[in-house]
Amino acid sequence: AQKITQTQPGMFVQEKEAVTLDCTYDTSDQSYGLFWYKQPSSGEMIFLIYQGSYDEQNATEGRYSLNFQKARKSANLVISASQLGDSAMYFCAMREADTGTASKLTFGTGTRLQVTL
Amino acid sequence: DARVTQTPRHKVTEMGQEVTMRCQPILGHNTVFWYRQTMMQGLELLAYFRNRAPLDDSGMPKDRFSAEMPDATLATLKIQPSEPRDSAVYFCASGPFTSGWVDEQYFGPGTRLTVT
Repeated sequence: AQKITQTQPGMFVQEKEAVTLDCTYDTSDQSYGLFWYKQPSSGEMIFLIYQGSYDEQNATEGRYSLNFQKARKSANLVISASQLGDSAMYFCAMREADTGTASKLTFGTGTRLQVTL
Repeated sequence: DARVTQTPRHKVTEMGQEVTMRCQPILGHNTVFWYRQTMMQGLELLAYFRNRAPLDDSGMPKDRFSAEMPDATLATLKIQPSEPRDSAVYFCASGPFTSGWVDEQYFGPGTRLTVT
């Protein structure tokens, strides 16, 4: 079974509008972390935002916020006031507890966001 | 602005040749990860290290891949012999391990490997 599911292969949004990128996850752990990364066409992976499973507040970083719904096992990324530079591939990832010695990330397949004028 | 660096950025080689990719983690980060990205498989974890010790390399084909950390400022991923199916972008990432978790992983720019 997929641990991280991103059901939107591609999304379009108009500049200055808000957009939500979906992410659902599957884990039996009580303690885990959820990440979003941006990958522009240049190829680098840029860390955007992190949410811990015990965090009661939704994480926010500037124009990025994470809509965390634990019961639904969803961790959607919301980008407010989209900019042309937001056009990129976006990956959701999850860190699960393992032996406690390290933190492995499992990535979704990504959503390609295109911001239009 | 601390960054993970990777060399080379691009590598084209012939099948059967040895390939070595290098990574310099962010100073102070004690956990280093190697990932591979392909169109078919997406992003896969190959191996990771804590304090230079390998913790898990189960994602790596053992017969041809090897990963090491000769010192705290250098991680290497070697493929010998290389095959066309190894063509991918290889990312190194590093993060601080505190309170039992790596809450952030910072990625390098990647090495784009093409094996012909």
